[in-house]
Order: sequence, then structure tokens, then C-alpha cells
Amino acid sequence: GAVVSQHPSRVICKSGTSVKIECRSLDFQATTMFWYRQFPKQSLMLMATSNEGSKATYEQGVEKDKFLINHASLTLSTLTVTSAHPEDSSFYICSARDGTAAHRFGSGTRLTVV
Amino acid sequence: GENVEQHPSTLSVQEGDSAVIKCTYSDSASNYFPWYKQELGKRPQLIIDIRSNVGEKKDQRIAVTLNKTAKHFSLHITETQPEDSAVYFCAASGGNYQLIWGAGTKLIIKP
Repeated sequence: GAVVSQHPSRVICKSGTSVKIECRSLDFQATTMFWYRQFPKQSLMLMATSNEGSKATYEQGVEKDKFLINHASLTLSTLTVTSAHPEDSSFYICSARDGTAAHRFGSGTRLTVV
Repeated sequence: GENVEQHPSTLSVQEGDSAVIKCTYSDSASNYFPWYKQELGKRPQLIIDIRSNVGEKKDQRIAVTLNKTAKHFSLHITETQPEDSAVYFCAASGGNYQLIWGAGTKLIIKP
């Protein structure tokens, strides 16, 4: 139980285009989801906390107009990278609490901007 | 804010030996301490967690100890196997459930 599904797993896009990443909790409701970015050989960097039915809370230094987060239901949160540039290339990963304090992670999305 | 420090950054042990990874946290209000294992290109997998009302927890070859007074917690892996090779992250959270992560430890199991 407590599975988080994330799509797509890999995406290559052209510079200037937008990319949407979906994160779904498959067998539980998630009022809060978290979006992370991870660079090679580094820890997870929290980008924002996504709250169902309200605006996301962004961490310092994360551009909210560039990384749009929508949490329209208790099982779905989306991250849209707008006007992507090569420096946005990274591994993006979401997580959700499974009703306890434990966080379950999506499988991650490898974004490459060319 | 909360800060979590993790050591060592790389740990190489002989297969069959034990491995210990240590973390310290700064916020005394933190009450939940998970450990995650991440293989290259994969999602972090929760391997064990401990809450502040418990001093030790064990699950087969894996154990976690917590010292609230000193604000540190440790991961212990016994009888290490090649499949234990991965990056391990500690984390801490409090009432807002937001995880504060350690920098990670690359564990290498030598055959």
C-alpha cells in the first residue's frame, strides 16, 4: 500500500517549452505533497509544499512563476516547469505523506532541456 | 530552522561487516526520524524510521538508535551484503511534517 505514481519518468523538451509532471497517490489521500529537485550526487532539495485546494508554499529561492504547482484533488498534484531552459535539467521527485509521518516517493522524472 | 548533518559522506565496508551512519539535528522539536535508501536513478525507499518516544528500533539487519538529549540518531546495518550498496539519507521532521534531509552517505560494500 501507500503507492505514489509519478509521470513521466523521462522527458526531453526544447528550450522555451513547458513540461508538466504528475504525481498521484494511488491508494490513499494526500492533503499535502512535496516537490523536490535532486542534482547528481546531492541530497533532495525541497522546492515547494503542495496543499490540496490552496496555494503551494515555495521554498526560498524557488521561482513560483516558473515552477507552477497545482493540487486540485486529494490524489493529484502537478508541477509545471514553464519556459524551460537547460539549467532546469534535473531529477524532479514528489512525495506524499501516507497518513502517518512517513513520506512515500514517486519514481521521479528525469528532465532534460535541449 | 532545522539543520541535519550526516556523516560520513562515503563509507566503504567489507561484505559481512557492519556499517554505521550518523546524523545530528538541531531542532529539539523534531519528533520523527526516517532513513531512506536510494539507488542510482531511483526513488528514495523508506527502510526504517523512529519516533522521538522510542530509543531504538530494529528490523532484521537494520536498526536505528535515537539519543534525544544529544540530538543524534544512527543507522546500523549488520551483515552487509552487496545489495546494500546505495546512498542512504537521514531526515528529521516536526509538526509541519516537512522533512529536513541530511547530505547523504554513499555506502560501498566490498566483496
